[in-house]
Order: sequence, then C-alpha cells, then structure tokens
Amino acid sequence: SQQGEEDPQALSIQEGENATMNCSYKTSINNLQWYRQNSGRGLVHLILIRSNEREKHSGRLRVTLDTSKKSSSLLITASRAADTASYFCATDSPEGGSEKLVFGKGTKLTVNP
Amino acid sequence: DTAVSQTPKYLVTQMGNDKSIKCEQNLGHDTMYWYKQDSKKFLKIMFSYNNKELIINETVPNRFSPKSPDKAHLNLHINSLELGDSAVYFCASSQSPRSRGYTFGSGTRLTVV
Repeated sequence: SQQGEEDPQALSIQEGENATMNCSYKTSINNLQWYRQNSGRGLVHLILIRSNEREKHSGRLRVTLDTSKKSSSLLITASRAADTASYFCATDSPEGGSEKLVFGKGTKLTVNP
Repeated sequence: DTAVSQTPKYLVTQMGNDKSIKCEQNLGHDTMYWYKQDSKKFLKIMFSYNNKELIINETVPNRFSPKSPDKAHLNLHINSLELGDSAVYFCASSQSPRSRGYTFGSGTRLTVV
C-alpha cells in the first residue's frame, strides 16, 4: 500500500532558485529516504534520515523530518538544470520490517535554465 | 562496473507469452527486490529476497515467479503475459542495516501488445 504522498506533484522553477518538496506518510517509520529519478532511468538514493533525526544535510540537499506531523521536506538549494527529475520519498516502517521501502507518488521538478 | 544490472532494457512481447528479466548485483548486498513502476510513475514492491530466501511477496499474481540462484542474482519470470503487465520493472539491492538506501537498476520497460 502507498505510504508517502509528495507535494506538490509538479514544480517548475528557474535555475538558481531553491526547490522544496514535501512528503507525508501514515504509519510510524524506521527511516525516510529520498530518491531521484531522471527520465527513463533508475532511482538514485539521495539521503536517508532516521526517525530520531530532525534534519540532515548533504551538499545542496537539506532534509527535515517531523515525526509528530508524519512529514518530511526535501530542499534543493541553488538549483541547476541538471536537477530536473522526479523526486520520491520512501518510508521504511517497523510494521513492514526493514526489507522493503514504500514509495510515494513523486514530485516532478523542472529547473529552467 | 555497473552495480545493479538488469537485462533486457526493453521487452516487447505479445499477450500470452512467457518472458524473463534478469538482474545481477556486484555490490555484495544481502537483499534484492523487484519493483514495478506503472504509467503514473507509482512504484510498488513485488518481491524481496534475503540471501536467496523469499521475504516479501506483495500479493503479486502467481504468474510472476522470482528466482534467486544466489544472493547476487534475482530473476523474474512472467507467464501468460497480460496487457496490464506493461510497466517498467526495477531490480534493486540493499545491505543490512540499510543505512545507505537501496541501489536500483536502470529498469526494464515491458510492453505487452
């Protein structure tokens, strides 16, 4: 069953601007992960945040997690045209064990040069 | 030095045929997965194998039969293909304690005509 819901479904910005994508989920989690998918390609793991963490950084990426609201956000700073892709959040829940990730529907990000 | 490789990349076949998709990972991961991505980009887990043992079978029709000859390989055989099986199938792998996320293959686009 679907766990995460990304918001917005699509986002179009200019190069250099920041992009923020949100994810909400329904059950308790072990961790939440963000993935990027370029058109016609596989998914690439970007960042993982554990349920006891509130914020994590990796390069131009910043992820926050609010377990009380069951939500996460992914911020991409100083966006580039190469950031154009679909971004998915995925949750690893205790109920499902650690053997699977449940993905949201994704946010399609377009960065215009 | 591809980490997770799947073959073929594209597969076009007629309804009723039987086909296989192969997946190999050279990362030494202990768990492999098959995910299906539909036309709306929604990703859903199908199967998970840990050290050749089936861990997850997400109510997939029994026309789909995964086979893991060793922990580096997870193949997917599909019998009596139907139009609704058309999708992109992704193989992925991960390693306990899964703090680095999953590594995905580039996908197999299956079209049933």
